[in-house]
Amino acid sequence: AQKITQTQPGMFVQEKEAVTLDCTYDTSDPSYGLFWYKQPSSGEMIFLIYQGSYDQQNATEGRYSLNFQKARKSANLVISASQLGDSAMYFCAMRAYNFNKFYFGSGTKLNVKP
Amino acid sequence: KAGVTQTPRYLIKTRGQQVTLSCSPISGHRSVSWYQQTPGQGLQFLFEYFSETQRNKGNFPGRFSGRQFSNSRSEMNVSTLELGDSALYLCASSKGGDAFFGQGTRLTVV
Repeated sequence: AQKITQTQPGMFVQEKEAVTLDCTYDTSDPSYGLFWYKQPSSGEMIFLIYQGSYDQQNATEGRYSLNFQKARKSANLVISASQLGDSAMYFCAMRAYNFNKFYFGSGTKLNVKP
Repeated sequence: KAGVTQTPRYLIKTRGQQVTLSCSPISGHRSVSWYQQTPGQGLQFLFEYFSETQRNKGNFPGRFSGRQFSNSRSEMNVSTLELGDSALYLCASSKGGDAFFGQGTRLTVV
């Protein structure tokens, strides 16, 4: 069965510091994708970063990087140089490759302090 | 290029009524999936459509249904609304490894 676990319901970080949001997963699919989304209070789910299970290198998108450790089944999101606008809910999600059925974690609420 | 468009953004309905939500995917994306988000249950998968065919279905009652048109636009319908159907409904448009969500429709049942 597929499952995503986010163990940090809420986190605080000082502006301009880096923060790591944890995500572990379980799946029986041999090929899958891991995603991180940001959800501000408006509700929109904003795509941040994607990692394919066969990708050798960790994904990076600007200030976002994904620390992918396949053997440990973890896909942590690292946000460098936090900004006030980063305050939001963050969801880790997984799906089998080429199927549009996502499994989501429970989310982490990030608060960036000035 | 245009993103995923969901309409309407907000809806207030009365118990027992039915509602139809719409999702227009990114041009060229043939897969659309739907999710219900509530504070208690989090994000739950409703169903997925690909080339007008339902490919996957979540564990929701038959009151929840959907369809996809030849232009890939998708609709979901909820009949006989219950208070517990109040939620944010999100759709995701996908092609290969990409997956983007719309802004959601916030449904309130009173």
